Amino acid sequence: AQTVTQSQPEMSVQEAETVTLSCTYDTSESDYYLFWYKQPPSRQMILVIRQEAYKQQNATENRFSVNFQKAAKSFSLKISDSQLGDAAMYFCAYRSLRGDMRFGAGTRLTVKP
Amino acid sequence: DAGVTQSPTHLIKTRGQQVTLRCSPKSGHDTVSWYQQALGQGPQFIFQYYEEEERQRGNFPDRFSGHQFPNYSSELNVNALLLGDSALYLCASSRGPGDSSYEQYFGPGTRLTVT
Repeated sequence: AQTVTQSQPEMSVQEAETVTLSCTYDTSESDYYLFWYKQPPSRQMILVIRQEAYKQQNATENRFSVNFQKAAKSFSLKISDSQLGDAAMYFCAYRSLRGDMRFGAGTRLTVKP
Repeated sequence: DAGVTQSPTHLIKTRGQQVTLRCSPKSGHDTVSWYQQALGQGPQFIFQYYEEEERQRGNFPDRFSGHQFPNYSSELNVNALLLGDSALYLCASSRGPGDSSYEQYFGPGTRLTVT
């Protein structure tokens, strides 16, 4: 079974600085999808960024980018120019082609003004 | 365009009772997945419904069952509630297996408390 590991329970960043959240996963599949979701205190899960495993190019969405290392099974999220509104729980997720999705335990990000 | 909606928002039940949670998918979506998120943890996949059938299932006992209706809405039923079933239950919708994006949109969740 696929597992997703987020080794940083909590991270803190100064406003306008850059922070990187780590994620590793374990799978025997060659094709899959990886996601980063944000869950603010309102608890609505919001998609931040998506990466298809067959794509070598790292995904980017405005201030959010990923470093996808398929061989190392690593999928980190970089947040540039951090804003107060970025404070939330961040979950890394693996989705197989069958459709089931596995989440990591999450990283709580605090943004200091 | 309404996103994923869930009802009720909060629910309190007694151990041993049964509960039904409801989910309406985002417009244009035909696949619904259910997740259990215990406090301080990541969501755990329960099961996924497509074409009114359970397509995938996570490691949850048979006390957890579901249903999908012709309009793609879905219900999650939990029988013989245990204290450990207390959690946030999230519903997510997506387009069917033929959709290459596989992007799921989540609802706000139902907070279930079992006493």
